[in-house]
Amino acid sequence: AQTVTQSQPEMSVQEAETVTLSCTYDTSESNYYLFWYKQPPSRQMILVIRQEAYKQQNATENRFSVNFQKAAKSFSLKISDSQLGDTAMYFCAFMKRSYSNDYKLSFGAGTTVTVRA
Amino acid sequence: DTGVSQNPRHKITKRGQNVTFRCDPISEHNRLYWYRQTLGQGPEFLTYFQNEAQLEKSRLLSDRFSAERPKGSFSTLEIQRTEQGDSAMYLCASSFLGREQYFGPGTRLTVT
Repeated sequence: AQTVTQSQPEMSVQEAETVTLSCTYDTSESNYYLFWYKQPPSRQMILVIRQEAYKQQNATENRFSVNFQKAAKSFSLKISDSQLGDTAMYFCAFMKRSYSNDYKLSFGAGTTVTVRA
Repeated sequence: DTGVSQNPRHKITKRGQNVTFRCDPISEHNRLYWYRQTLGQGPEFLTYFQNEAQLEKSRLLSDRFSAERPKGSFSTLEIQRTEQGDSAMYLCASSFLGREQYFGPGTRLTVT
Protein backbone atom coordinates (compact mmCIF):
# COMPACT_ATOMS: atom_id res chain seq x y z
CA ALA A 1 0.00 0.00 0.00
CA GLN A 2 1.12 3.53 -0.68
CA THR A 3 1.21 6.22 1.98
CA VAL A 4 1.47 9.94 1.35
CA THR A 5 2.61 12.32 4.07
CA GLN A 6 2.17 16.07 4.15
CA SER A 7 3.88 17.30 7.28
CA GLN A 8 2.73 20.92 7.15
CA PRO A 9 -0.92 21.28 8.21
CA GLU A 10 -0.96 25.04 7.56
CA MET A 11 1.16 27.58 5.68
CA SER A 12 0.77 31.32 5.40
CA VAL A 13 2.37 33.49 2.74
CA GLN A 14 2.33 37.15 1.79
CA GLU A 15 0.85 38.01 -1.58
CA ALA A 16 3.50 37.95 -4.33
CA GLU A 17 5.86 35.84 -2.21
CA THR A 18 6.84 32.20 -2.72
CA VAL A 19 5.72 29.22 -0.65
CA THR A 20 6.86 25.61 -0.81
CA LEU A 21 4.73 22.69 0.30
CA SER A 22 6.33 19.38 1.17
CA CYS A 23 5.16 15.88 0.41
CA THR A 24 6.80 12.52 0.95
CA TYR A 25 5.49 9.14 -0.07
CA ASP A 26 6.26 5.52 0.55
CA THR A 27 5.97 2.95 -2.22
CA SER A 28 7.70 -0.10 -3.61
CA GLU A 29 6.50 0.77 -7.12
CA SER A 30 8.93 2.12 -9.68
CA ASN A 31 6.37 3.46 -12.11
CA TYR A 32 3.82 5.95 -10.88
CA TYR A 33 2.31 9.39 -11.11
CA LEU A 34 2.31 12.14 -8.53
CA PHE A 35 -0.17 14.97 -8.41
CA TRP A 36 -0.93 18.16 -6.55
CA TYR A 37 -4.60 19.05 -6.24
CA LYS A 38 -6.04 22.32 -4.96
CA GLN A 39 -9.33 22.51 -3.06
CA PRO A 40 -10.50 26.12 -2.49
CA PRO A 41 -12.90 26.71 0.40
CA SER A 42 -16.30 25.15 -0.40
CA ARG A 43 -15.26 24.49 -3.98
CA GLN A 44 -14.27 21.45 -5.93
CA MET A 45 -10.86 19.84 -6.22
CA ILE A 46 -8.77 21.06 -9.14
CA LEU A 47 -5.68 19.42 -10.58
CA VAL A 48 -2.69 21.75 -10.27
CA ILE A 49 0.19 19.74 -11.62
CA ARG A 50 1.24 16.20 -12.54
CA GLN A 51 4.61 14.44 -12.51
CA GLU A 52 5.43 11.11 -14.09
CA ALA A 53 8.01 9.19 -12.09
CA TYR A 54 10.03 8.08 -15.12
CA LYS A 55 10.60 11.69 -16.16
CA GLN A 56 13.58 13.36 -14.53
CA GLN A 57 12.51 16.86 -15.52
CA ASN A 58 10.42 18.61 -12.93
CA ALA A 59 6.93 19.61 -14.05
CA THR A 60 5.96 23.27 -14.29
CA GLU A 61 2.58 24.92 -14.81
CA ASN A 62 2.77 28.71 -14.87
CA ARG A 63 3.47 29.80 -11.27
CA PHE A 64 3.42 26.22 -9.97
CA SER A 65 6.45 23.97 -10.09
CA VAL A 66 7.55 20.80 -8.38
CA ASN A 67 10.80 19.43 -7.03
CA PHE A 68 10.65 15.69 -7.59
CA GLN A 69 13.33 13.66 -5.82
CA LYS A 70 12.62 10.03 -6.68
CA ALA A 71 15.33 8.46 -4.54
CA ALA A 72 14.22 10.46 -1.53
CA LYS A 73 10.54 9.87 -2.37
CA SER A 74 9.90 13.56 -2.07
CA PHE A 75 7.58 15.73 -4.17
CA SER A 76 7.34 19.37 -3.12
CA LEU A 77 5.21 22.09 -4.70
CA LYS A 78 6.41 25.64 -5.12
CA ILE A 79 3.91 28.42 -5.64
CA SER A 80 5.60 31.55 -6.95
CA ASP A 81 4.15 35.08 -6.95
CA SER A 82 1.34 33.94 -4.64
CA GLN A 83 -2.09 35.37 -5.33
CA LEU A 84 -5.14 35.66 -3.10
CA GLY A 85 -6.88 33.09 -5.26
CA ASP A 86 -4.25 30.53 -4.30
CA THR A 87 -5.79 30.32 -0.83
CA ALA A 88 -6.91 26.70 -0.60
CA MET A 89 -6.14 23.30 0.78
CA TYR A 90 -3.49 21.51 -1.27
CA PHE A 91 -3.33 17.75 -1.50
CA CYS A 92 -0.47 15.62 -2.69
CA ALA A 93 -1.61 12.38 -4.34
CA PHE A 94 -0.02 9.19 -5.67
CA MET A 95 -1.22 6.82 -8.36
CA LYS A 96 0.42 3.64 -9.62
CA ARG A 97 1.11 3.56 -13.32
CA SER A 98 0.38 0.06 -14.48
CA TYR A 99 -1.60 -2.05 -16.85
CA SER A 100 -3.53 -3.62 -14.03
CA ASN A 101 -6.79 -2.17 -12.84
CA ASP A 102 -5.36 -0.10 -10.01
CA TYR A 103 -5.88 3.56 -10.72
CA LYS A 104 -6.99 4.88 -7.39
CA LEU A 105 -5.44 8.00 -5.93
CA SER A 106 -3.87 7.91 -2.48
CA PHE A 107 -3.98 11.35 -0.88
CA GLY A 108 -2.06 13.05 1.87
CA ALA A 109 -3.87 14.85 4.69
CA GLY A 110 -3.48 18.22 2.99
CA THR A 111 -1.85 21.57 3.67
CA THR A 112 -3.98 24.67 4.14
CA VAL A 113 -2.39 27.63 2.39
CA THR A 114 -3.50 31.13 3.26
CA VAL A 115 -2.32 34.04 1.12
CA ARG A 116 -2.31 37.34 3.00
CA ALA A 117 -2.95 40.64 1.24
CA ASP B 1 -17.73 19.75 -21.57
CA THR B 2 -19.62 20.69 -18.44
CA GLY B 3 -17.36 18.82 -15.99
CA VAL B 4 -18.32 16.25 -13.39
CA SER B 5 -21.63 16.95 -11.68
CA GLN B 6 -23.02 15.52 -8.47
CA ASN B 7 -26.47 15.61 -6.98
CA PRO B 8 -27.61 16.49 -4.45
CA ARG B 9 -24.98 18.89 -3.19
CA HIS B 10 -26.15 18.55 0.39
CA LYS B 11 -28.14 15.84 2.12
CA ILE B 12 -29.29 15.77 5.72
CA THR B 13 -30.80 12.51 6.87
CA LYS B 14 -31.70 10.78 10.07
CA ARG B 15 -29.77 7.81 11.30
CA GLY B 16 -31.13 4.60 9.87
CA GLN B 17 -32.45 6.13 6.65
CA ASN B 18 -31.21 5.21 3.19
CA VAL B 19 -29.64 7.81 0.90
CA THR B 20 -28.61 7.77 -2.76
CA PHE B 21 -26.20 10.09 -4.53
CA ARG B 22 -25.73 10.54 -8.24
CA CYS B 23 -22.63 11.37 -10.26
CA ASP B 24 -22.52 12.37 -13.93
CA PRO B 25 -18.97 12.12 -15.29
CA ILE B 26 -17.41 14.00 -18.18
CA SER B 27 -19.04 12.45 -21.22
CA GLU B 28 -16.06 10.77 -22.90
CA HIS B 29 -14.56 9.44 -19.65
CA ASN B 30 -14.75 5.68 -19.23
CA ARG B 31 -13.55 5.53 -15.63
CA LEU B 32 -15.52 6.78 -12.63
CA TYR B 33 -14.34 6.88 -9.02
CA TRP B 34 -15.95 7.47 -5.65
CA TYR B 35 -14.02 8.90 -2.70
CA ARG B 36 -15.02 9.94 0.80
CA GLN B 37 -13.55 12.98 2.52
CA THR B 38 -13.98 13.84 6.16
CA LEU B 39 -13.35 17.33 7.51
CA GLY B 40 -9.73 18.38 7.32
CA GLN B 41 -8.57 15.16 5.69
CA GLY B 42 -7.65 14.00 2.23
CA PRO B 43 -10.10 11.95 0.19
CA GLU B 44 -10.12 8.19 0.67
CA PHE B 45 -10.85 5.83 -2.19
CA LEU B 46 -14.10 3.88 -2.04
CA THR B 47 -14.64 2.23 -5.42
CA TYR B 48 -14.19 2.64 -9.13
CA PHE B 49 -15.77 1.62 -12.43
CA GLN B 50 -14.44 1.09 -15.89
CA ASN B 51 -17.47 1.55 -18.11
CA GLU B 52 -20.21 -0.41 -16.29
CA ALA B 53 -17.87 -2.84 -14.50
CA GLN B 54 -17.03 -2.21 -10.85
CA LEU B 55 -13.35 -3.16 -10.70
CA GLU B 56 -12.31 -2.42 -7.15
CA LYS B 57 -13.92 -1.76 -3.80
CA SER B 58 -12.13 -0.48 -0.73
CA ARG B 59 -12.61 -2.24 2.57
CA LEU B 60 -14.01 1.13 3.68
CA LEU B 61 -17.06 0.21 1.61
CA SER B 62 -19.10 -1.81 4.07
CA ASP B 63 -22.07 -3.97 3.12
CA ARG B 64 -24.31 -0.97 3.67
CA PHE B 65 -22.74 0.77 0.67
CA SER B 66 -23.49 -0.11 -2.91
CA ALA B 67 -22.50 1.60 -6.12
CA GLU B 68 -23.70 1.10 -9.65
CA ARG B 69 -22.97 2.42 -13.10
CA PRO B 70 -25.61 0.61 -15.12
CA LYS B 71 -24.95 1.89 -18.62
CA GLY B 72 -21.41 3.06 -18.21
CA SER B 73 -22.50 6.67 -17.92
CA PHE B 74 -23.79 8.08 -14.61
CA SER B 75 -23.24 6.32 -11.31
CA THR B 76 -25.16 6.08 -8.06
CA LEU B 77 -23.85 5.49 -4.56
CA GLU B 78 -26.38 4.22 -2.03
CA ILE B 79 -25.89 4.04 1.71
CA GLN B 80 -28.39 1.92 3.60
CA ARG B 81 -29.19 2.32 7.30
CA THR B 82 -27.03 5.41 7.62
CA GLU B 83 -24.90 5.92 10.71
CA GLN B 84 -23.45 9.11 12.15
CA GLY B 85 -20.01 7.93 11.08
CA ASP B 86 -21.16 8.13 7.46
CA SER B 87 -21.25 11.93 7.68
CA ALA B 88 -18.70 13.14 5.15
CA MET B 89 -18.24 14.67 1.72
CA TYR B 90 -18.68 12.08 -1.02
CA LEU B 91 -16.64 12.95 -4.07
CA CYS B 92 -16.95 11.57 -7.56
CA ALA B 93 -14.20 11.79 -10.17
CA SER B 94 -13.83 10.63 -13.74
CA SER B 95 -10.95 10.02 -16.10
CA PHE B 96 -10.16 8.70 -19.54
CA LEU B 97 -7.90 5.64 -19.66
CA GLY B 98 -6.36 6.15 -16.23
CA ARG B 99 -5.11 9.64 -16.83
CA GLU B 100 -5.86 12.67 -14.66
CA GLN B 101 -8.96 12.41 -12.53
CA TYR B 102 -11.38 15.33 -12.60
CA PHE B 103 -13.49 15.83 -9.53
CA GLY B 104 -17.07 16.93 -9.05
CA PRO B 105 -18.20 19.36 -6.36
CA GLY B 106 -19.16 16.56 -3.97
CA THR B 107 -22.23 15.66 -1.94
CA ARG B 108 -22.06 16.62 1.71
CA LEU B 109 -23.91 14.11 3.86
CA THR B 110 -24.95 14.90 7.41
CA VAL B 111 -26.47 12.11 9.45
CA THR B 112 -28.32 13.32 12.54
